[in-house]
Amino acid sequence: NAGVTQTPKFRVLKTGQSMTLLCAQDMNHEYMYWYRQDPGMGLRLIHYSVGEGTTAKGEVPDGYNVSRLKKQNFLLGLESAAPSQTSVYFCASRPGHLYGYTFGSGTRLTVV
Amino acid sequence: RKEVEQDPGPFNVPEGATVAFNCTYSNSASQSFFWYRQDCRKEPKLLMSVYSSGNEDGRFTAQLNRASQYISLLIRDSKLSDSATYLCVVNRPLNYGQNFVFGPGTRLSVLP
Repeated sequence: NAGVTQTPKFRVLKTGQSMTLLCAQDMNHEYMYWYRQDPGMGLRLIHYSVGEGTTAKGEVPDGYNVSRLKKQNFLLGLESAAPSQTSVYFCASRPGHLYGYTFGSGTRLTVV
Repeated sequence: RKEVEQDPGPFNVPEGATVAFNCTYSNSASQSFFWYRQDCRKEPKLLMSVYSSGNEDGRFTAQLNRASQYISLLIRDSKLSDSATYLCVVNRPLNYGQNFVFGPGTRLSVLP
């Protein structure tokens, strides 16, 4: 039982490049989330999904897009990376809105 | 006022000490409360939920005061392995599909 798996774990991008971060969960959870964590800022919600085929914006959605074509996968896309997107990205999932999150191990992204 | 505020820390305590973390939240309609711990360069992991009547799990005790919108976490007989950042987490009942808001965290270092 893998839980929540994020790929890749590390990535360095040049400004203007694009990439997709993949989050996969095998717990049949309905809700999935993408957060970023920056020093002194805590965890901030980028986008989230309450079920297959649905997505919604969080606190800091600009510069990111998401898709949830399959229940188990939640993809985060950066169309044109900027240095301000240098961060640690965490994916999380949970079965319902009153439950705690299970997090993936994170993706460390550096944009130069 | 920030949605979730925590003691700024860091806390440096000797092994065996009792340490208390405090957290306040701004939305009186919040219903779900959790404490997470996050080790350096790792993902947050659920430590315990916080129930209205208070709850205990071994050396850890969590309490909720709805009137004061205050949550606490007490660690007794602290161990070296308790060194981590402790995150207070509260749900947003009216926004973002009941997602969570994370406090900035309080770092704990337990010293030999």
